[in-house]
Amino acid sequence: NAGVTQTPKFRILKIGQSMTLQCTQDMNHNYMYWYRQDPGMGLKLIYYSVGAGITDKGEVPNGYNVSRSTTEDFPLRLELAAPSQTSVYFCASSSTAYSYEQYFGPGTRLTVT
Amino acid sequence: DQQVKQNSPSLSVQEGRISILNCDYTNSMFDYFLWYKKYPAEGPTFLISISSIKDKNEDGRFTVFLNKSAKHLSLHIVPSQPGDSAVYFCAASGNNQGGKLIFGQGTELSVKP
Repeated sequence: NAGVTQTPKFRILKIGQSMTLQCTQDMNHNYMYWYRQDPGMGLKLIYYSVGAGITDKGEVPNGYNVSRSTTEDFPLRLELAAPSQTSVYFCASSSTAYSYEQYFGPGTRLTVT
Repeated sequence: DQQVKQNSPSLSVQEGRISILNCDYTNSMFDYFLWYKKYPAEGPTFLISISSIKDKNEDGRFTVFLNKSAKHLSLHIVPSQPGDSAVYFCAASGNNQGGKLIFGQGTELSVKP
């Protein structure tokens, strides 16, 4: 059982480039989340989805976009990368809004230079 | 506005002794609290949780205490083991959060042999 998988593990981008962080879960969870973690900080919610075709902004959505065409996949798109987007990105999923317990992927470490 | 705060960035404890990690919150609408453990280069993993209808929840060596009047919770690890060395995140949620978790900044626990 793979759980939540993320690709790539590491990536270096130049300022102004774009990329997509991939996230897939095999637990048939309806809820999926994208977080970023900056050094010494907690996890900040970027976007979340309550099911295929439904997404909403979290606390820090600027500079990012998401889509949710299937239950399994929740890609995060970075347009026009900026140094402020250097961070570790985590994808997570949960079965319902009220299960609270979220399952996390291993993370993608992104550096923008 | 930091709704969930972990004021100690780090804690060092001797193997076999008790580790106490603290967390404060400001939003009185939070009614569910979780602790996550994170090893380097991995995603956070769920450790233990507590509902606001309880003031204590125990799971093996891990116990979480909730003081609603003080808006404070703590995680006790007894006895501490070197394998417990990790970053611990406190998180909170509630019925009005739509499944979203609000995370503290994390406390890095080091258990020395």
